[in-house]
Amino acid sequence: DAKTTQPPSMDCAEGRAANLPCNHSTISGNEYVYWYRQIHSQGPQYIIHGLKNNETNEMASLIITEDRKSSTLILPHATLRDTAVYYCIVRPIMDTGRRALTFGSGTRLQVQP
Amino acid sequence: NAGVTQTPKFQVLKTGQSMTLQCAQDMNHNSMYWYRQDPGMGLRLIYYSASEGTTDKGEVPNGYNVSRLNKREFSLRLESAAPSQTSVYFCASSEARRFSIYFGEGSWLTVV
Repeated sequence: DAKTTQPPSMDCAEGRAANLPCNHSTISGNEYVYWYRQIHSQGPQYIIHGLKNNETNEMASLIITEDRKSSTLILPHATLRDTAVYYCIVRPIMDTGRRALTFGSGTRLQVQP
Repeated sequence: NAGVTQTPKFQVLKTGQSMTLQCAQDMNHNSMYWYRQDPGMGLRLIYYSASEGTTDKGEVPNGYNVSRLNKREFSLRLESAAPSQTSVYFCASSEARRFSIYFGEGSWLTVV
């Protein structure tokens, strides 16, 4: 799997958009970008994934650059409950499920009141 | 819908004792996983099972054994617990060829 690089920590004011960057410069054409988060003392939670087009769901938006070497997860209106560690992961498209996700250190997002 | 259920949630062991962490999922997923997470660290894969009857080593398998009892259940066994195995253990499951993995709430294990 391609290596990802994320800042270790970020702060965001409550109600503002949180923009979490991720670099994956060695991503290959058959790899998706996934985002998970882990709220303190809970199991990780799937947020969103994408290949090359921007994606949006009820939780967040994912913006992937045209060259696919980086992406940004956007939480449009951060709340205190969004305080968590956010993980950016890449994984091949044709995955039979035999290979598990590899989690790195992620970005610790602190939403400030 | 319970999702992924792990037991026990908390356990204290003495060095050398053995124990089994139980995990069950009710989503009919083929793939199941065991991760550990040390304080302030990311998740590391211990073992995974792509389907019933198969298991494979992950990043940190030493000191652990697993059993995929059936499609629903995947257990993790510590044969002789060591203080280095003090950690939070997460079980997870996913469908084959699907992108989202569902995690349990974690099992806090302390080895003294």
